[in-house]
Amino acid sequence: EAGVTQFPSHSVIEKGQTVTLRCDPISGHDNLYWYRRVMGKEIKFLLHFVKESKQDESGMPNNRFLAERTGGTYSTLKVQPAELEDSGVYFCASSQYRNSREAFFGQGTRLTVV
Amino acid sequence: AQKVTQAQTEISVVEKEDVTLDCVYETRDTTYYLFWYKQPPSGELVFLIRRNSFDEQNEISGRYSWNFQKSTSSFNFTITASQVVDSAVYFCALSEKDVGGANSKLTFGKGITLSVRP
Repeated sequence: EAGVTQFPSHSVIEKGQTVTLRCDPISGHDNLYWYRRVMGKEIKFLLHFVKESKQDESGMPNNRFLAERTGGTYSTLKVQPAELEDSGVYFCASSQYRNSREAFFGQGTRLTVV
Repeated sequence: AQKVTQAQTEISVVEKEDVTLDCVYETRDTTYYLFWYKQPPSGELVFLIRRNSFDEQNEISGRYSWNFQKSTSSFNFTITASQVVDSAVYFCALSEKDVGGANSKLTFGKGITLSVRP
């Protein structure tokens, strides 16, 4: 069974550009989460989808970040325009809805804004 | 608000030594869940354990053991006879709900970088 897959693994963009990160959760997992780790800091929650609905977006830093999950399958996280402080590793995780022991994480996308 | 503190930032040990990674948490909830994740050099976060707040039994899995003490709000992780393959970043996390439900986001600590030298 495939795990959580994230694309790209690395992205280097200039300040002001747009970047779109993609997450493919484990098939059948209704829960999908986005997290971010800025260098040396905690991994922080950004957003939680249940199927295609945003369950909790309290962690989204500002309106330059837009997350979508059309059809309740894969999700995208767009940063537009990117700023230097957006640099970090963006993790995606998925879990079954109900009776789930763990959330499965992807390898993360390392975003560098220069 | 929930908070997880991993006071140790980097630990270096020689192979076969035992090592304990500390985790202290804060929450106002009476029901909550504690987790440990391992992040090897490949980058993904690998689930190690989940413990709910009603289960204070310590757990052992091979060389890994966990000590959960509600009285001190701690959930420490011990690796016995460490190996080079244990080198990774280890994260402790807290959730107010089980990850299968609503409001199940994880609050993480800053992580502890463990280096095991041959």
